Amino acid sequence: GAVVSQHPSRVICKSGTSVKIECRSLDFQATTMFWYRQFPKQSLMLMATSNEGSKATYEQGVEKDKFLINHASLTLSTLTVTSAHPEDSSFYICSAQLVAVNEQFFGPGTRLTVL
Amino acid sequence: GIQVEQSPPDLILQEGANSTLRCNFSDSVNNLQWFHQNPWGQLINLFYIPSGTKQNGRLSATTVATERYSLLYISSSQTTDSGVYFCAHEATGTYKYIFGTGTRLKVLA
Repeated sequence: GAVVSQHPSRVICKSGTSVKIECRSLDFQATTMFWYRQFPKQSLMLMATSNEGSKATYEQGVEKDKFLINHASLTLSTLTVTSAHPEDSSFYICSAQLVAVNEQFFGPGTRLTVL
Repeated sequence: GIQVEQSPPDLILQEGANSTLRCNFSDSVNNLQWFHQNPWGQLINLFYIPSGTKQNGRLSATTVATERYSLLYISSSQTTDSGVYFCAHEATGTYKYIFGTGTRLKVLA
C-alpha cells in the first residue's frame, strides 16, 4: 500500500510553454501533498504544500504564479510550470502524507527539460 | 533555520562491507524518516523512526532524539544498495519535511 504515482515521468518542452505534472495517491486519500524540486547531485527542496480544497502554501522564494498548484481531490494534485524557461529544468517530486502512520510517500518524479 | 547534516557525504564500499550513515539535526527531531533514492530518482521509504531502533533485513536504524541524531546501518552491502541516502524530518507541527544533505553510496562488486 501507500503508492504515489506521477505523470509524466519525463517531459521535454520548448521555452515559453506550460507543463502540467500530475501526482496521485493510488491507494489512500491525502489531504496534504507536497511538491519538491531536486537539482543534480543536490538534496530535495520543498517548493509548496498542496492542501485539498484550499490554496497551496509556497515556500519562500517560490513564485506562486510560476508554479501553479491545484489539489482538486483527495487523491490528485497537479503542478503546472507556466511559461517554462531553461532554468526551470529540474527533477520534480511529489509526496503525500499518510496521516495514519505519520509517513510521507513519494512519487517516482518527473524530469523536466526546457529547451 | 532548521539544518539537517548528513555524513559522510560520499562513501565507496566493497560488496559485503558494513557501513554507518549519520544524520544530525539542529532542532528537535520530529517524524524522522530515512530514504534511499535509487539511480532512477525514486525515493524508497526505509524507516520511519522518530526514536528508538528498528531493523529490516540488512538495514537497521537508531534515533536518539534527545541528542538530535539518527544512524542508518547497512550490513553486508550489495551493489543494489548504491544510490543516495537521505534522512528527513518534519518541521514541528507543519508536516513539512526538511531533507538532509544526503550520503552518496557506491558499492563495488
